[in-house]
Amino acid sequence: GAVVSQHPSRVICKSGTSVKIECRSLDFQATTMFWYRQFPKKSLMLMATSNEGSKATYEQGVEKDKFLINHASLTLSTLTVTSAHPEDSSFYICSAPGQGSDASPLHFGNGTRLTVT
Amino acid sequence: GQNIDQPTEMTATEGAIVQINCTYQTSGFNGLFWYQQHAGEAPTFLSYNVLDGLEEKGRFSSFLSRSKGYSYLLLKELQMKDSASYLCAVKDSNYQLIWGAGTKLIIKP
Repeated sequence: GAVVSQHPSRVICKSGTSVKIECRSLDFQATTMFWYRQFPKKSLMLMATSNEGSKATYEQGVEKDKFLINHASLTLSTLTVTSAHPEDSSFYICSAPGQGSDASPLHFGNGTRLTVT
Repeated sequence: GQNIDQPTEMTATEGAIVQINCTYQTSGFNGLFWYQQHAGEAPTFLSYNVLDGLEEKGRFSSFLSRSKGYSYLLLKELQMKDSASYLCAVKDSNYQLIWGAGTKLIIKP
């Protein structure tokens, strides 16, 4: 079945540095990818929708300059957390819509655990 | 506003049956999904309902009543590996997924 690969799975960085997270669709093309953030014991929070060949659509309250999204090709979307701070520590998950009908579920990457020290 | 409600936590015994409820109020409805999420991992798809009734998939079944804005996930013959969070998500009129906070299911021997 469809697979989404997300890398890295864990990253620890110092305050002020930037971190890039990659999300690849391995056996299908994804013109759209979704980036979520999840706090402990909380639900998924949609941060932005990544669109191949155009600007990402950010949800209300998400800083565009803080969370840079680039959808460079039909199989790759990246999220860069710029000038990271401890409050950015979280679990970030990307996903791509399934192919076909509305019944197709999202395919998720395995997530990235970001810790900012 | 849009809202999805699920119990925060449930406990059940290995081998037993458990029902996890989900109620929703959304702007439109284009299907309801159930996902399983183990701690520190990404969600995995369990089931999809768009019409009223019961969908059965092995040990797991999902029910939907659109008129009541209600769904449940039924897990039978519980196994220890079923300990996880179960997320209910609804596609609204814009086909955007609205997520519930998830139900943490604890299975005891």
